[in-house]
Amino acid sequence: EAQVTQNPRYLITVTGKKLTVTCSQNMNHEYMSWYRQDPGLGLRQIYYSMNVEVTDKGDVPEGYKVSRKEKRNFPLILESPSPNQTSLYFCASSPGTSGYTFGSGTRLTVV
Amino acid sequence: QKEVEQNSGPLSVPEGAIASLNCTYSDRGSQSFFWYRQYSGKSPELIMFIYSNGDKEDGRFTAQLNKASQYVSLLIRDSQPSDSATYLCAVKGPGGFKTIFGAGTRLFVKA
Repeated sequence: EAQVTQNPRYLITVTGKKLTVTCSQNMNHEYMSWYRQDPGLGLRQIYYSMNVEVTDKGDVPEGYKVSRKEKRNFPLILESPSPNQTSLYFCASSPGTSGYTFGSGTRLTVV
Repeated sequence: QKEVEQNSGPLSVPEGAIASLNCTYSDRGSQSFFWYRQYSGKSPELIMFIYSNGDKEDGRFTAQLNKASQYVSLLIRDSQPSDSATYLCAVKGPGGFKTIFGAGTRLFVKA
């Protein structure tokens, strides 16, 4: 089944404790992206990647890091999480010409 | 001015009616336009994309694009209660990499 897999689905952590949210797609898509979704603000792009080793900042990259060492994987790293990073996170992938396929989401709470 | 604007709604229509969802965007160089549906607690799913001026039909859904007016719309014919969801408009920018989402319009279809 073609899909984007994110883990974990839910995460509660403390301020400052480094964490990684994993994302993997099995569709051989070139484009991958991370979004966060907050009430009233919609989906905001954090980072995107056009291919292996090619990444760029989206609209809200502060406090996040990404890497794209393999085509299928695009992890999101929070080096020192803060409460304002409490949000619903989505990973998505695309072949480029059409729209995104989204993962199931990761609900992160930073206390 | 937001880059992609949608009326937040809620938009309420009776079952069987036509639901009309609207979206405007600010970047005249935008190339691709997408409509996603998001049920409560779920991830967005792509329902339509359009690249050229005019109408594009897929089953009960019609996307309309007017680049001169920087306007894209989604019509849902014969609306069903199962169409009740938040509809997200998304626009891919001139470089073809960044995709910006509107905040979404909530649609309620009353049985």
